[in-house]
Amino acid sequence: NAGVMQNPRHLVRRRGQEARLRCSPMKGHSHVYWYRQLPEEGLKFMVYLQKENIIDESGMPKERFSAEFPKEGPSILRIQQVVRGDSAAYFCASSPDLGGTNTGELFFGEGSRLTVL
Amino acid sequence: GEDVEQSLFLSVREGDSSVINCTYTDSSSTYLYWYKQEPGAGLQLLTYIFSNMDMKQDQRLTVLLNKKDKHLSLRIADTQTGDSAIYFCARTGYSSASKIIFGSGTRLSIRP
Repeated sequence: NAGVMQNPRHLVRRRGQEARLRCSPMKGHSHVYWYRQLPEEGLKFMVYLQKENIIDESGMPKERFSAEFPKEGPSILRIQQVVRGDSAAYFCASSPDLGGTNTGELFFGEGSRLTVL
Repeated sequence: GEDVEQSLFLSVREGDSSVINCTYTDSSSTYLYWYKQEPGAGLQLLTYIFSNMDMKQDQRLTVLLNKKDKHLSLRIADTQTGDSAIYFCARTGYSSASKIIFGSGTRLSIRP
């Protein structure tokens, strides 16, 4: 059972370009979370999605950032017109459908490291 | 509030016990977690505790929860070099359907 797959692992963009980060959750998981980790900082929640729905986007910057989790295919975090401050590691996590025994454990991918020149 | 706070660094001697502390502000959390992040990798769940428990032990790991003080700790007995990592405290909201909030992480370093 493959784990959470993120790609690309490393992405370099110039200021003003677009960055697209992809995340395929674990098989059978329908909940996806995106977190951002800035150098020497903790994990900041960005957005929580289920298939075709955004459940909580309270951590997403108001502009330039968007996320989707379509019925088919991976979840995508899109950053338009990147700036140097967007340089960070972006982690995706998934969790299974909620149930009586679900402890809310998140299964993380290895992250996508974005560098903006 | 959403704050989960941890100290940033901890250094211990190999073989000693490590105690990593965490405080949080939202008392409605259902579960509290400890995750481990090794260099260049994602986070992996180490252990969790349900909010109606005071203590949980799992081999070298002991989790203590003080709900009154909103304080969570992770004790690692007989710390080894392989325990070097960043340890994140995390909590859910009012149900496991809520987003999970992480602390800033404590970087544990082991000295010989």
